[in-house]
Amino acid sequence: DTGVSQDPRHKITKRGQNVTFRCDPISEHNRLYWYRQTLGQGPEFLTYFQNEAQLEKSRLLSDRFSAERPKGSFSTLEIQRTEQGDSAMYLCASTQTVDEQYFGPGTRLTVT
Amino acid sequence: SQQGEEDPQALSIQEGENATMNCSYKTSINNLQWYRQNSGRGLVHLILIRSNEREKHSGRLRVTLDTSKKSSSLLITASRAADTASYFCATDARGSNTGKLIFGQGTTLQVKP
Repeated sequence: DTGVSQDPRHKITKRGQNVTFRCDPISEHNRLYWYRQTLGQGPEFLTYFQNEAQLEKSRLLSDRFSAERPKGSFSTLEIQRTEQGDSAMYLCASTQTVDEQYFGPGTRLTVT
Repeated sequence: SQQGEEDPQALSIQEGENATMNCSYKTSINNLQWYRQNSGRGLVHLILIRSNEREKHSGRLRVTLDTSKKSSSLLITASRAADTASYFCATDARGSNTGKLIFGQGTTLQVKP
């Protein structure tokens, strides 16, 4: 257990529905990252927060995706109008430095 | 898109043998990190090597970095069944102040008891 938690661990949804995932980082970590991992691939960067500011977004993050980190604590990632191609593991990581990142267990999304 | 390639994609060895995984990347880096992922779980940080370092050790792990070839290798000595997992290299691009990581495709290691 790295100290980073994610909820839910698994989510099955029908195409077209909206889903929201939550990440609780290690409390003193001001940097928070979201990654997406599809089967057999390495994680791909989605977005980065420093405190409450979203400072970088990947081109992978279409306008159906939105992320927030109110008050620089927990973060949420919302996907609107889900598509089958959104099926993946969504990973959250936090850190205090630009070195080692601490990953949560991930949320596995299945869109049917 | 991924930063680079990992080789081999899959590796199967007997307990007690050494396992070597290779990683190549494309851009100049601040550091290179190796992570382990057990099936269906999150990633666990193993070791970090900075761009001005050539070799680093941590327990049974040995990492090398060749910035001229843009490549790294991870050696696990005296492997154990518990080392069975996927291993990913990840780079932090030079000039980036976000610390975002670019991952390779990973090597799946199976250690047979």
